[in-house]
Amino acid sequence: DTAVSQTPKYLVTQMGNDKSIKCEQNLGHDTMYWYKQDSKKFLKIMFSYNNKELIINETVPNRFSPKSPDKAHLNLHINSLELGDSAVYFCASSQGSGFYGYTFGSGTRLTVV
Amino acid sequence: ELKVEQNPLFLSMQEGKNYTIYCNYSTTSDRLYWYRQDPGKSLESLFVLLSNGAVKQEGRLMASLDTKARLSTLHITAAVHDLSATYFCAVDRDDKIIFGKGTRLHILP
Repeated sequence: DTAVSQTPKYLVTQMGNDKSIKCEQNLGHDTMYWYKQDSKKFLKIMFSYNNKELIINETVPNRFSPKSPDKAHLNLHINSLELGDSAVYFCASSQGSGFYGYTFGSGTRLTVV
Repeated sequence: ELKVEQNPLFLSMQEGKNYTIYCNYSTTSDRLYWYRQDPGKSLESLFVLLSNGAVKQEGRLMASLDTKARLSTLHITAAVHDLSATYFCAVDRDDKIIFGKGTRLHILP
């Protein structure tokens, strides 16, 4: 049983396209996150949702739009993809404010060509 | 703004040796996390440190937290090749975790 699952695992697309990444967690957690890991392995938070409500929206271009249809799902839609969007995107979840830690998905490696 | 600094960023060491990775953070926080990441893989939770003076051990890894000094250490005892990975510390603040840049650990046989 995968706790936090992301699809797809790999995504190669051309500049200007629109793409989505899906995330689902079966841990019963109430908070979900999107993190971006760049080529230097630096991890930066993008968004967090608590029970379908947007809690954190870091300085992220408007081309990135998260959507949470329910507390077990958090999807990330990216419009007009740019070369600089190439990265690994990790979904994560936690119960409350992370007292028990955060569980990460396996990541989606996005390559924009 | 919370900043999390790890050092060293790169570490190459011989099997059997001991070493420590340091994690400093700039503002008050009561929770600190250590994660391991293998190349091309996800982040695996190693330790969650919740209070000043907390010490946790798992195998050859031991983590500690000093909230007054805003310092956590990850100590590796008698390193083995399987511990080669990137280790991240992260600090909880305002309902999000801020990561350090990671320490890339390479253990030579």
